[in-house]
Amino acid sequence: EDQVTQSPEALRLQEGESSSLNCSYTVSGLRGLFWYRQDPGKGPEFLFTLYSAGEEKEKERLKATLTKKESFLHITAPKPEDSATYLCAVSVQGGSEKLVFGKGTKLTVNP
Amino acid sequence: DAGITQSPRHKVTETGTPVTLRCHQTENHRYMYWYRQDPGHGLRLIHYSYGVKDTDKGEVSDGYSVSRSKTEDFLLTLESATSSQTSVYFCASRSSTHNEQFFGPGTRLTVL
Repeated sequence: EDQVTQSPEALRLQEGESSSLNCSYTVSGLRGLFWYRQDPGKGPEFLFTLYSAGEEKEKERLKATLTKKESFLHITAPKPEDSATYLCAVSVQGGSEKLVFGKGTKLTVNP
Repeated sequence: DAGITQSPRHKVTETGTPVTLRCHQTENHRYMYWYRQDPGHGLRLIHYSYGVKDTDKGEVSDGYSVSRSKTEDFLLTLESATSSQTSVYFCASRSSTHNEQFFGPGTRLTVL
C-alpha cells in the first residue's frame, strides 16, 4: 500500500533557528512528490514539485530535497510568518490520479 | 495561483438531507478533484474528473456523487448526509501539462 509519513507531527522553533521537516514515502513507483503549505482555515498552497532523487528546489527560506525514500523541507532562518502546517504528497505511477498525502507537520516559529 | 472558488464556505445541515457543494475554476484546467480533510487523517480523495462528464471514484467515495457538465464547474453531492460526513471539503484542479494540483479555500460542512 502506498504510504506517506511526515515527521515530526509538530515543531516549535525560535525565529532564526533553522531546521528540517521529513517526509518518508513507500510507493510502488514515484511519479512526483509535492510540498504544500496550509494556513488555518485555508486550502493547501502549492510550494514545490520534485521528480527524481537528487533534485532540489528553493523558494525564499525553504529548500526541498528528494532521495529515493524520503524528502526534506529545510527551513533556513525561519520567521513567524513561516508558521503553518506543511503537507507532503506523492503521485504514484500507473495512471491513478490519486495524491497520497501525509498528515502534515505543524510548524510554529516564535519571535 | 489557480482561480478556484468553492461555495458555500460554511454549511450546517441535518442528517438525511441532500447537500451539494460547488467548485468553480477559471483556469480551464482539465482535471478537478474533491478531497475531505479530517483530524488525524491526511487529505483523502473522494472523486475526481478528467474531463467534462468524465469522473471516477477516489478512496472514500461511498455516500458521495459528482457531476461535471462544464469545464469550470465540479459539483459534489451528498445524497443523504450523515454525521460521518462532517468534514472540511477541498476542491482542487490541475492542467493537463503539469502534475501539481491547486486547491480552493474549502467548505466546512457540519451534519447534525
